[in-house]
Amino acid sequence: GENVEQHPSTLSVQEGDSAVIKCTYSDSASNYFPWYKQELGKRPQLIIDIRSNVGEKKDQRIAVTLNKTAKHFSLHITETQPEDSAVYFCAASIDSGGGADGLTFGKGTHLIIQP
Amino acid sequence: ETGVTQSPTHLIKTRGQQVTLRCSSQSGHNTVSWYQQALGQGPQFIFQYYREEENGRGNFPPRFSGLQFPNYSSELNVNALELDDSALYLCASSRGLAGYQVETQYFGPGTRLLVL
Repeated sequence: GENVEQHPSTLSVQEGDSAVIKCTYSDSASNYFPWYKQELGKRPQLIIDIRSNVGEKKDQRIAVTLNKTAKHFSLHITETQPEDSAVYFCAASIDSGGGADGLTFGKGTHLIIQP
Repeated sequence: ETGVTQSPTHLIKTRGQQVTLRCSSQSGHNTVSWYQQALGQGPQFIFQYYREEENGRGNFPPRFSGLQFPNYSSELNVNALELDDSALYLCASSRGLAGYQVETQYFGPGTRLLVL
């Protein structure tokens, strides 16, 4: 089955700086890659996603890049703010033709924004 | 916030007991996926229901079972509870379309289960 590795496990950056979180996946058939943000005690919330027919996607301060050849994808957050502090999860999924599939998650990155 | 709701919010059970968790999907969604999230870990896929049928399953034993109802709400049942079943159980709903691309999954707030 699919295996998703995520690094780093903890990332501390100064407010206003950029943060980058990296994930690799094992199954070349994976074609959907969402990123979720989870604050303490709350539900995971989708922040951005990318499909395998696109190399990069941007939404204001957040961007995701995908390298299908290397099987890795990254989350980039620019101009970080205190409210960006949370645990971020990457995930991968294969569209097996059955309409939808389960997501395989990484272990998460605890992002700490230092004031 | 998403329109996905779960009940109960918290639950305490003892080893060997059975538990049923419930999920109401967002309006317009016909697919529900269930995940187990242990403390400090990412969610792990249990199974998915699409139009009342199981549509995929992760690496969980048969004592984890589920149902989906005609209104697309869903239940997760766990029999013979073990200590390691203590976790946050999340459901996610999506607008699944057979044969089309994977749709975005929106999570509920979760049910925190403690097995003593």
